Formats: sequence, structure tokens, C-alpha cells
Amino acid sequence: AQTVTQSQPEMSVQEAETVTLSCTYDTSESDYYLFWYKQPPSRQMILVIRQEAYKQQNATENRFSVNFQKAAKSFSLKISDSQLGDAAMYFCAYTGAGSYQLTFGKGTKLSVIP
Amino acid sequence: AAGVIQSPRHLIKEKRETATLKCYPIPRHDTVYWYQQGPGQDPQFLISFYEKMQSDKGSIPDRFSAQQFSDYHSELNMSSLELGDSALYFCASSYVNQPQHFGDGTRLSIL
Repeated sequence: AQTVTQSQPEMSVQEAETVTLSCTYDTSESDYYLFWYKQPPSRQMILVIRQEAYKQQNATENRFSVNFQKAAKSFSLKISDSQLGDAAMYFCAYTGAGSYQLTFGKGTKLSVIP
Repeated sequence: AAGVIQSPRHLIKEKRETATLKCYPIPRHDTVYWYQQGPGQDPQFLISFYEKMQSDKGSIPDRFSAQQFSDYHSELNMSSLELGDSALYFCASSYVNQPQHFGDGTRLSIL
């Protein structure tokens, strides 16, 4: 079974600074997808970024980028120029290429300090 | 852009009652997923449907059932409700191997 581990239950960052959230996963599959989802206090689940395992290039979406290390099974999220609206719970998630379900980590609660 | 629509947004039931949650996927999405998120927990996969057929099953209790209809909307039916069923229930939809997009969830409270 696949597992996703987020070792940082809480983190904080100063506004306009950069923060990195960590995620590791365990799988025996060779083809899979990794995601970061954001859940603000409103409890919506918002897709932040997606990485295909077969792509060596790290995904980037505006201020959000990932550091995907396939051999180390590591998938960290970097948020640049942090904004107050970035404050939320961030979930790392995994799905196998032939699977229909997302497996989530326990989440990292990010606080942004003005 | 159209999003995943879930109804109702909030639902209050008593123990042993039944509940039905509805989900309307994004147009042209062919797969629907249901997740349960308990307080302070990560979402747990319950069940999914691809083209109206059950495609995968997770930790869904036997008291729960779900289906996807010809118009692609889906319903999660929950019977003999227990206090532990109090949670946020998400529906998500996707097209082929594209990312799952989540609805705003239904908050179910069991008294």
C-alpha cells in the first residue's frame, strides 16, 4: 500500500518570504502522480500543483514550485513571496497511474505572519 | 468555469437515521470520487465511479452505498448513522488522468 508522510504538522513564514513544505511517499509503482492540495479555513480542497512521475522537470505554478526527487521518493513544495492568503492546511497526495483514489498525507498547517 | 456541485452544504441528522448526499461533477468529467474527512484528519477515499460503473472502493462502511446516474451525478447513501459519521464529505470529479477537482463538501453532523 502506498503511504504519504508529511513530517511537519505546523510551519510559519513571514509575509513575502519563502517556505518549503516536505513530503515523502512510499510506493512500488513506477508510474504515478503527486499533488499538493490547499485547504483554507473555508475547508475547500484546492489543487495547487501536480507532478507526473515520468517527468524529470519540476512542476511550477506561479509562486508555487516543487522539488521532485524520484529516487528519494521526496516531493517538497516551495512557496515564494508568501502572502496572507497562503495560510492554510497543505496536503500532499499520491495516486497511481492506474488508480482512482488519492492517498493523502496528514497535512501541514501553514501560518503566514504579517 | 463550472465546478463540482455538492448538496446539501450542511446536514444534521440523529443516530440511526439515513442521509443522502448529492454530487454534480464538472461537465464532461467521466469519473466521480467520494472522500470522508473527519475533524482534524486528512481525507479518506470512500468510492469512485467511472462512466457510471464502480471503479474503486476504499474504506467505505457497509452501511454506505453510492451510485452514479445516467446524467453522471452521484449520490452517497448513508444508513444507520453513527456519531462517528460526523465529518466533511467531499465529492471530486476528473476527466481521464487529469487531476481531481473537489466540491465544497457537505458537512454532516450526527446528534
